[in-house]
Amino acid sequence: DAKTTQPNSMESNEEEPVHLPCNHSTISGTDYIHWYRQLPSQGPEYVIHGLTSNVNNRMASLAIAEDRKSSTLILHRATLRDAAVYYCILKGAGSYQLTFGKGTKLSVIP
Amino acid sequence: GAVVSQHPSRVICKSGTSVKIECRSLDFQATTMFWYRQFPKQSLMLMATSNEGSKATYEQGVEKDKFLINHASLTLSTLTVTSAHPEDSSFYICSAKNYFRDLDTQYFGPGTRLTVL
Repeated sequence: DAKTTQPNSMESNEEEPVHLPCNHSTISGTDYIHWYRQLPSQGPEYVIHGLTSNVNNRMASLAIAEDRKSSTLILHRATLRDAAVYYCILKGAGSYQLTFGKGTKLSVIP
Repeated sequence: GAVVSQHPSRVICKSGTSVKIECRSLDFQATTMFWYRQFPKQSLMLMATSNEGSKATYEQGVEKDKFLINHASLTLSTLTVTSAHPEDSSFYICSAKNYFRDLDTQYFGPGTRLTVL
């Protein structure tokens, strides 16, 4: 599986936007970019995924670089409930497995 | 929709005993279920993949005789940790996919924290 690189941790102030980066320079043409998050002592939760175009849903936005070697998860207005570990995962179109890296631990400051 | 439950949420057992963890998809049929293990301050590691009605596929290094997986119905998978030892203490998480509903998403359960004394 192609590898992703994320910062170990980030901080954000409450009610401010958060941009979580992910580098995936070895991404292949058929790899989708998935984001999951894991709140403390809970199972992961799907956030968003995309292939080439930017994507928006009720939770977040995903901005994908034109060369697809990096992407950014955008939380438009961080709340205390967004404090979690965020995982950026590449998944091939025909693959059903998710390989979790270390992710980025996001702290939200009141 | 797409809710996955696990039972129990916490279990403490003595060394040498067996523990069964249930994973249920509450509002959809799970054609495939996955079992993960997560040690403190580490990421999730996939243990095995199970498809309804067939034998589970275990990841390298996971003992299939120690971690018994049964996926007897489209809404239930069980993981039995046999002859548990303290090193098996971990956070066990299941997830489920529904190919008829959403090909790209895994829905995760809340996890089961196992402590072996």
